[in-house]
Amino acid sequence: AQSVTQPDIHITVSEGASLELRCNYSYGATPYLFWYVQSPGQGLQLLLKYFSGDTLVQGIKGFEAEFKRSQSSFNLRKPSVHWSDAAEYFCALSGGYNKLIFGAGTRLAVHP
Amino acid sequence: AAGVIQSPRHLIKEKRETATLKCYPIPRHDTVYWYQQGPGQDPQFLISFYEKMQSDKGSIPDRFSAQQFSDYHSELNMSSLELGDSALYFCASSLRGTGQETQYFGPGTRLLVL
Repeated sequence: AQSVTQPDIHITVSEGASLELRCNYSYGATPYLFWYVQSPGQGLQLLLKYFSGDTLVQGIKGFEAEFKRSQSSFNLRKPSVHWSDAAEYFCALSGGYNKLIFGAGTRLAVHP
Repeated sequence: AAGVIQSPRHLIKEKRETATLKCYPIPRHDTVYWYQQGPGQDPQFLISFYEKMQSDKGSIPDRFSAQQFSDYHSELNMSSLELGDSALYFCASSLRGTGQETQYFGPGTRLLVL
């Protein structure tokens, strides 16, 4: 079965600290993987995506993610968090021309 | 760059009423997806259309129907509304055939059923 697991429901970091949000997936082949960010009451903004090739992908707002096939993971990282990064982050997978399957999301709080 | 447009942004309805949500995809995008996000939940796939034909169906209630028109915009029709239909409804669009299909989301329609 296809699924996405985000083990951390809430994460709090201090401004300027590094960040890593975890994402694990279950899929029969190599999926397409995405990270989206959602601010309260807002839509979903694409941060980055992985289709193939280089396993370290760069996204917007200074985020990056690394695809690790052996660990079925696609963790999101940022070296230095800004207060404006406080939001909910969703990891999602797709098998191609079809629906996105989302994880439950990780809510990020940033302390000044 | 043009984004996905959804209307209305907010909608308040009574139980048993009907609602129509509209989605205008990014220009030249040929595929539209609808998702429902309940409070504190992740988005759940409802239905999708490619070139005006239904391409996939998820957990969409029988009370809901949708279609994609010749100009590629899509409408989600919801009848006999229930309290549990209160949610944020997202539309996303994509372009097939690129080998790297990416869904871009609209701002959502927040539906409140009283």
